Amino acid sequence: DARVTQTPRHKVTEMGQEVTMRCQPILGHNTVFWYRQTMMQGLELLAYFRNRAPLDDSGMPKDRFSAEMPDATLATLKIQPSEPRDSAVYFCASGLGLAGGLDEQFFGPGTRLTVL
Amino acid sequence: AQKVTQAQTEISVVEKEDVTLDCVYETRDTTYYLFWYKQPPSGELVFLIRRNSFDEQNEISGRYSWNFQKSTSSFNFTITASQVVDSAVYFCALSDQSGYALNFGKGTSLLVTP
Repeated sequence: DARVTQTPRHKVTEMGQEVTMRCQPILGHNTVFWYRQTMMQGLELLAYFRNRAPLDDSGMPKDRFSAEMPDATLATLKIQPSEPRDSAVYFCASGLGLAGGLDEQFFGPGTRLTVL
Repeated sequence: AQKVTQAQTEISVVEKEDVTLDCVYETRDTTYYLFWYKQPPSGELVFLIRRNSFDEQNEISGRYSWNFQKSTSSFNFTITASQVVDSAVYFCALSDQSGYALNFGKGTSLLVTP
């Protein structure tokens, strides 16, 4: 049963610290997404990659957030320095993007981040 | 700009009742996709359905059915004979023709009690 995995599942850190969240997409999927979920804003798309290249990161605060795909099996989302307003659940999703578009996004379990 | 509105924040029903979750969307695209996702208490988002804007045929999958009406920009979701396991937050989402970037509604929290 192929699944998107995310680590860590929970992270508590202090303001100003660097946070790194990791995602392993489903094997064979070439598109990876990062979403953030908060009570106030709901689910927001932060960035996504296709074939490891960033396609859109317009939803991501550029000054402190960065997203990368070092290889096809790993996507990372970093926050440096972290702030209390970054507290949220961060979801990674993956899918198989073809010429006609993307069919379905499979979501990971999320990383619950708390910044004190 | 795309927008999804789920006006019902919370719904509570008794088991075996039918329940409809509303979704209204706004887009200037002629080709787009609509989605429904379920988020159970465990937190994961579970894909339920994807609908192309050119396909207005209603869909039924077991106890689930979806009614897509372009004339009213709505994509409503009905659960027939609800069960306790249906308790979750349900999200409606919209994307452009690529199907990549999902714009989610705020979600409707459904509570089904025995």
